[in-house]
Amino acid sequence: DGGITQSPKYLFRKEGQNVTLSCEQNLNHDAMYWYRQDPGQGLRLIYYSQIVNDFQKGDIAEGYSVSREKKESFPLTVTSAQKNPTAFYLCASSIFPGQEGYEQYFGPGTRLTVT
Amino acid sequence: GQQVMQIPQYQHVQEGEDFTTYCNSSTTLSNIQWYKQRPGGHPVFLIQLVKSGEVKKQKRLTFQFGEAKKNSSLHITATQTTDVGTYFCAGPYGQNFVFGPGTRLSVLP
Repeated sequence: DGGITQSPKYLFRKEGQNVTLSCEQNLNHDAMYWYRQDPGQGLRLIYYSQIVNDFQKGDIAEGYSVSREKKESFPLTVTSAQKNPTAFYLCASSIFPGQEGYEQYFGPGTRLTVT
Repeated sequence: GQQVMQIPQYQHVQEGEDFTTYCNSSTTLSNIQWYKQRPGGHPVFLIQLVKSGEVKKQKRLTFQFGEAKKNSSLHITATQTTDVGTYFCAGPYGQNFVFGPGTRLSVLP
């Protein structure tokens, strides 16, 4: 089956710890994205990557880091510098932006709770 | 930067009533996309509109792209409980999308 997987579904961490959220896709998509969603809110872009070994900051990149060593994988690290890390994190992928049909496919998300 | 706004923020309807959400962009868009997120779920792509004045239908859902390509609407006829969720519009901005804040639809049986 083709799709995007995120793990784990729920994650609990103590304040001051870094945590890495995984995102894998087997859709052969070039572009991958990380969004943060707070309760009752829309989607805010954290980081995005259009090709391997390249990524760009989104609107709320502070306190987060990413890597794109493989086309299929785009892990997100929530660092201790992120002041309010508790949120729902969504990973998405698409064909290269600008091409016909570049809608985003979203993973099931990871709910991170930091106490 | 580009802003995408949606109204209303919330809408409560009785099952069988119609529902409309409106999306407005601060800039002209090359295309606009609509997504639906069920409670506790993730956004799922519904449709993309590209042409000025374009109207597309999916069963009870009607999507429209404004003539100036700065606004769009989603209309649901005779809502059902399965329509519950948050509807987002999204427009391209550079190499990314900007999502509107969404309209949360509740349908009372």
